[in-house]
Amino acid sequence: ELKVEQNPLFLSMQEGKNYTIYCNYSTTSDRLYWYRQDPGKSLESLFVLLSNGAVKQEGRLMASLDTKARLSTLHITAAVHDLSATYFCAVLRRNRDDKIIFGKGTRLHILP
Amino acid sequence: EAGVAQSPRYKIIEKRQSVAFWCNPISGHATLYWYQQILGQGPKLLIQFQNNGVVDDSQLPKDRFSAERLKGVDSTLKIQPAKLEDSAVYLCASIKLGTLTSDTEAFFGQGTRLTVV
Repeated sequence: ELKVEQNPLFLSMQEGKNYTIYCNYSTTSDRLYWYRQDPGKSLESLFVLLSNGAVKQEGRLMASLDTKARLSTLHITAAVHDLSATYFCAVLRRNRDDKIIFGKGTRLHILP
Repeated sequence: EAGVAQSPRYKIIEKRQSVAFWCNPISGHATLYWYQQILGQGPKLLIQFQNNGVVDDSQLPKDRFSAERLKGVDSTLKIQPAKLEDSAVYLCASIKLGTLTSDTEAFFGQGTRLTVV
C-alpha cells in the first residue's frame, strides 16, 4: 500500500528565514506533485516532478526529487507572509493503478 | 482550457438526508478521481474512474456512498443517507495520463463543501 508522509505537519516561521518541508513515500512512484491550498480554497498545482534528480523552482519555492531515497523536498527561501498556506505532496503510480495519494499536508504560518 | 467544474459549491443538509455532487472534468481527460477532504486533513481518495469504468473504490463507504460516470465524461457522487461525519469538502480531479510527460498533471475543481447538521 502506498503511503505518503510529510513533515513537519505544522510550521511557524519568521519572514526572511529559510526552511524545508519533507515528503517521504513508501513505494516506487512515477510522479511527485506539490500543491498549495489556501483556507477555503481548492488545490493549486505548484510542481510536477518526473524523474530522479529533478529540481524545479518558482519564485521562493524550490522542489526536488530523489527517487532512490523516495524523498521529495520543498524548500522555501526568504519566506514572505504571502506564502502562508497548507502545502501537500502527492504521489502518482503511473501504469500500475494510477492512484494519486496525498500526504497529510504541512500547515505553514509565516510571521511578519 | 476550461478547468474542472463542480457543483454545487456549498450544501447544508440534515443527517439522514441525501445529497448529490456533480463533476465535469477537463475535456479529453480519461481518469477522474473523487476525494474527500475533512477539515485539517489531506485529501482521501474515494473512487477512481478510467473512462466510465471504476478502477478503485476500496475507500468508498459503499453502504451510503455511490458514484457513477456515465459515458465517461461527467460524474456524480451521491451520499444516502448522510451522517455527521460526512461533513467535508468533496474534490473532483481529472488527469489525461497520455504519453506526453505534460499529460500527467492532475487538475482539481473548486470542491463542494458539505455540512451535515
